[in-house]
Parts: sequence; C-alpha cells; structure tokens
Amino acid sequence: DQQVKQNSPSLSVQEGRISILNCDYTNSMFDYFLWYKKYPAEGPTFLISISSIKDKNEDGRFTVFLNKSAKHLSLHIVPSQPGDSAVYFCAASAPGSNYKLTFGKGTLLTVNP
Amino acid sequence: SQTIHQWPATLVQPVGSPLSLECTVEGTSNPNLYWYRQAAGRGLQLLFYSVGIGQISSEVPQNLSASRPQDRQFILSSKKLLLSDSGFYLCAWNLDSNTGELFFGEGSRLTVL
Repeated sequence: DQQVKQNSPSLSVQEGRISILNCDYTNSMFDYFLWYKKYPAEGPTFLISISSIKDKNEDGRFTVFLNKSAKHLSLHIVPSQPGDSAVYFCAASAPGSNYKLTFGKGTLLTVNP
Repeated sequence: SQTIHQWPATLVQPVGSPLSLECTVEGTSNPNLYWYRQAAGRGLQLLFYSVGIGQISSEVPQNLSASRPQDRQFILSSKKLLLSDSGFYLCAWNLDSNTGELFFGEGSRLTVL
C-alpha cells in the first residue's frame, strides 16, 4: 500500500514557465511533508518542507502548497530553469515515527531551454 | 559542519556473494541513521533505521541486515545477494529535531549479476 503517491512519473516544462509537481497521500497521520531533489547518481537533497499547520510555504522560486482535506500537496517552481531538471521526491512523516520518511516514487522534471 | 560518506560508490557482485556497504557521519553526535534503497521504477524505500549504537529497526523483511558498531557508523550487509537486491542504496542521517529533514549520502550503486 503506497501511502505517498506521485502519479506523474515525468513532467516537461519550458524554461521560464511554472512547474507544478503533485503529490497525494493516504495516511491522515502524516503531519510533515518534504520535497527532495535528486540528480542522477547522487543522493537526494532537501528542497522545502511544510508542516500540517500551514497551507503554504515559500522559499525563493519554490512554493509548496498543502491541502489537508484533499490530502494533496504540490510544489511550484517559478520560473523554471534548466538546472531544475531532476527527479523530485515527495516525502511525509507522522508524529512519533522517529522521523522516518515515506517517499513517493518521484517525478522526473525536464526543463527545456 | 556535518558530512556523510558512503562507500563503495559502485559495486558489481554475483548472485550469492556477500555485501557490505559502509556509511559514516562526521561532525555530529548520536544521529539517527537510515538506509534507503531506490530500485528501478520505485521510490525511496526505507530499509533500516537506528537511533543509537546497536539499535536497529528493520522496515522491510529481506535478506539484508544492518549494524551500527559505532555512533557514527552504519553498515548494510548481506550474506547472499539476490538479483532483486540491485539498486541505489542511500545512507541518511538526522538529529532528533522537529523538522524530520534527512541528509543523504552520495549513494552506492549495486548491480547483482
């Protein structure tokens, strides 16, 4: 049973446009959500996070939106740059889980010049 | 500053052979340590986590094992590799904080033939 789902395996966007990466979750106990970015043959790096007490968190070109009622979050990248091309993983954790993260399968974002 | 190292970076092993992947963290004390695996077409799957020396929790039943002989050392092992063990193995750490953010190593690519 996959508790964190990223239904789009890939996304292609033109440079300068907005990239929207989506993530759905099924476990209502999740209260903290994170996005990681991963380049080939490297470990993932933390990008941005959001607590369930918020519905939006912004950091530069990156904004994460959380819709708790829909159990849905999204990552917006504006404007998209070719260097943003990578696999993006959505992750979630629940209280008392010792910060074990449950990851989605990832979405490959390609930003075309 | 804290750093995390994994080795070897790449490994090609025959079926039935043993495995040992090592991970060390520098610049911090008593970290939580994790082993994740990214297999083809799948997200990041948590295999083991450890909150202290000699304390190992297994998330997925399999022929892999983990050990933490020292505070900042985490080892992933197998006595007999299977073809299905091929994948990209990632060690990660965090401290007992409220963010849950994980810091990943560079990863180890294992190919079992």
